[in-house]
Amino acid sequence: SQTIHQWPATLVQPVGSPLSLECTVEGTSNPNLYWYRQAAGRGLQLLFYSVGIGQISSEVPQNLSASRPQDRQFILSSKKLLLSDSGFYLCALVIRRGTDTQYFGPGTRLTVL
Amino acid sequence: QKEVEQDPGPLSVPEGAIVSLNCTYSNSAFQYFMWYRQYSRKGPELLMYTYSSGNKEDGRFTAQVDKSSKYISLFIRDSQPSDSATYLCAMSASGGSYIPTFGRGTSLIVHP
Repeated sequence: SQTIHQWPATLVQPVGSPLSLECTVEGTSNPNLYWYRQAAGRGLQLLFYSVGIGQISSEVPQNLSASRPQDRQFILSSKKLLLSDSGFYLCALVIRRGTDTQYFGPGTRLTVL
Repeated sequence: QKEVEQDPGPLSVPEGAIVSLNCTYSNSAFQYFMWYRQYSRKGPELLMYTYSSGNKEDGRFTAQVDKSSKYISLFIRDSQPSDSATYLCAMSASGGSYIPTFGRGTSLIVHP
């Protein structure tokens, strides 16, 4: 079965600093990959998704970017963090079998001070 | 109107109670329906997956879909304190969009 790894698990960063969050996947190939943010008291917000290497779709314009350098690696980045970037960042995958069933990673809790 | 509506709760019940969690939706194209459980500070985990209408049972959990009413439910029998979590519904249309629409989640507290 598939496994999603995310690191770091927690992160505290000052405003204006850069960000790099990594998601790697095991146990499946050619998955669709997703980045979500879950802010306190709010639902899941889809940030980016990728259907293949180098293919990124952005759902929300903001100061974040994503890259997929390898089939099982998905990276979320920012050049300058804002206070509003604080939240719980989740990587997810869909195994392409004709359903939209997503499996989520353990998440990274980001606090921007 | 949001595409998927879910009461955020919290819903507080005594141990052993039957719990009913619900979502309503507006998009009649939705065909796939999921329930996720999310413990505090953890990623959501898939609990139940249902295609189209009908019921699906897995242990103490039953998922029910009523497409005519655009209403889905998750029932938990003999609820336990370990069931205390946030439950998110999710749904999507067929055709390989691979982007489900999530409800905001219902917080459930099962007290001993």
